Amino acid sequence: DTEVTQTPKHLVMGMTNKKSLKCEQHMGHRAMYWYKQKAKKPPELMFVYSYEKLSINESVPSRFSPECPNSSLLNLHLHALQPEDSALYLCASSQYQRGGALGSDTQYFGPGTRLTVL
Amino acid sequence: SQQGEEDPQALSIQEGENATMNCSYKTSINNLQWYRQNSGRGLVHLILIRSNEREKHSGRLRVTLDTSKKSSSLLITASRAADTASYFCATEGYGGSQGNLIFGKGTKLSVKP
Repeated sequence: DTEVTQTPKHLVMGMTNKKSLKCEQHMGHRAMYWYKQKAKKPPELMFVYSYEKLSINESVPSRFSPECPNSSLLNLHLHALQPEDSALYLCASSQYQRGGALGSDTQYFGPGTRLTVL
Repeated sequence: SQQGEEDPQALSIQEGENATMNCSYKTSINNLQWYRQNSGRGLVHLILIRSNEREKHSGRLRVTLDTSKKSSSLLITASRAADTASYFCATEGYGGSQGNLIFGKGTKLSVKP
């Protein structure tokens, strides 16, 4: 299985809602990533988890809360979002051998969740 | 910023022609990667070239890296309509930047049948 899956594909939420995005991979990868991509812009890194521990947080607002319950799952909890948070949210994973260099290998991306905040 | 900058921003060619996209970046890198993205969908990894490599091939793709000029190019030979997509270069640095892919703005390629 060489696939990264993301659910839901589309999400519409109000500014007072709480929702979660889910990402799953069964490739045995030990690094997982969240990216945000606005229309006609490149993806921007939000968070990196390695061995289920948060290793990079790119100064993301606290209304985005990541969680890595196990090595195959990555969640992004959303609360009190703003309309400008509307974007495509992409999850990725990579192999990352402990003792090796994080990220110096291929990242496999999921299809993304298209989020609209009203 | 080590963000890659692709040029051209948009490229339109006929099927069968070759397409060349360029990427420039600003700081030392560990590796440079090229990704393809079909409209509004996830990214597909095409090729990774490490800082000590100069050229790599994969099928119809050829990537070059010139670290002295801080630039890379992606050549797609014998293009097909299915190659229509946006292409991004992404750089990864050393140390604290490991795992942090910085994407360029992308080149939108249109291949006309």
